[in-house]
Amino acid sequence: DAGITQSPRYKITETGRQVTLMCHQTWSHSYMFWYRQDLGHGLRLIYYSAAADITDKGEVPDGYVVSRSKTENFPLTLESATRSQTSVYFCASSERTSGDEQYFGPGTRLTVT
Amino acid sequence: KQEVTQIPAALSVPEGENLVLNCSFTDSAIYNLQWFRQDPGKGLTSLLLIQSSQREQTSGRLNASLDKSSGRSTLYIAASQPGDSATYLCAVNRWRVGTYKYIFGTGTRLKVLA
Repeated sequence: DAGITQSPRYKITETGRQVTLMCHQTWSHSYMFWYRQDLGHGLRLIYYSAAADITDKGEVPDGYVVSRSKTENFPLTLESATRSQTSVYFCASSERTSGDEQYFGPGTRLTVT
Repeated sequence: KQEVTQIPAALSVPEGENLVLNCSFTDSAIYNLQWFRQDPGKGLTSLLLIQSSQREQTSGRLNASLDKSSGRSTLYIAASQPGDSATYLCAVNRWRVGTYKYIFGTGTRLKVLA
């Protein structure tokens, strides 16, 4: 009954480093999403995935890479972290379509120094 | 472009009061609208989902209404309790070229005083 989990929960990294945020869901939901939450901007969609090996850009995809080789996992990679990517990152999933109810993970707080 | 606004940004009320949180959106062509609760340092918890064909949804002390024509949704909380203190977010799900995307408001931060 784990639902949707994210790791790590907190991460501090340096500018220019590569960092990967993990997201795992146990429901076999088709759709998965990555959002970032910043003060004054609310939640913004970075990338989403309709199924394994199918991904698409959201509102703010620059500087991020995603993959989805298995239905249950949806990692988000910052190839060369920048200070502007300091944020709280949330993973979410929905059962059949991106129009279904979304369920969120607990978030990863990332600080880029 | 769909814009979602939540007013007020913050609200403080005494325990027991009934209250209404507002969510406005600019494009009425929505698929559904979802209300979330977010506690400090935590993820989002889904409260209610209203399909575009529905007028309202209820769960316990919560009632959400939807008026697409006026671009508004309200979340009504009855008999508020200190445990209701959190940030409440609405998200509008719009259809665009065969897919759906949620657009989030920036939230209303609610504090219920004991």
